[in-house]
Amino acid sequence: GAVVSQHPSWVICKSGTSVKIECRSLDFQATTMFWYRQFPKQSLMLMATSNEGSKATYEQGVEKDKFLINHASLTLSTLTVTSAHPEDSSFYICSASGRTSGTNEQFFGPGTRLTVL
Amino acid sequence: GENVEQHPSTLSVQEGDSAVIKCTYSDSASNYFPWYKQELGKRPQLIIDIRSNVGEKKDQRIAVTLNKTAKHFSLHITETQPEDSAVYFCAASTQAGKSTFGDGTTLTVKP
Repeated sequence: GAVVSQHPSWVICKSGTSVKIECRSLDFQATTMFWYRQFPKQSLMLMATSNEGSKATYEQGVEKDKFLINHASLTLSTLTVTSAHPEDSSFYICSASGRTSGTNEQFFGPGTRLTVL
Repeated sequence: GENVEQHPSTLSVQEGDSAVIKCTYSDSASNYFPWYKQELGKRPQLIIDIRSNVGEKKDQRIAVTLNKTAKHFSLHITETQPEDSAVYFCAASTQAGKSTFGDGTTLTVKP
């Protein structure tokens, strides 16, 4: 299947700082990328849908000013957690689907574990 | 929006036995139903999927069935092995690709 990378794989930061997470599709053009958050022993919760060249669509209850999403190219989407607080500590996973992947199958990145002290 | 319910939340079986996980969905527009296996701290791995124009699909020890009328689909794992132990998620996806996940089933296969 298609390959999606995510960087960094883990990050520890102080409360109040901002953290940027990158999601890249390595071998196909991702017209759509999805950002999920997963707390321990819970399911993946969709945060937002990101389409290349347009504004992200956020799920209900997700603050768009806190979780900034940019999908500037067909291979890169970024999630910036602004003014992070301990309750933002979670596993953030992106996924990508696109025209050259041929289906609406999603390909997941390896995830980023964010710990806010 | 879509709502996906998954049962059971935990499942323990003896090695060699079969395991069945069931999901229901609410949005009749959903047309793609993947199943994922997730090991601790890792990304979800697609293990099998089914589209709405198919009723059943099998891949070696894994099979999925779909009942569109009743809006439910199931994962069947036969001849379970200890390495099948993981958390399994079902999902329902629309043509746009947006997926709604079930809450997950923690499968434990006892040797």
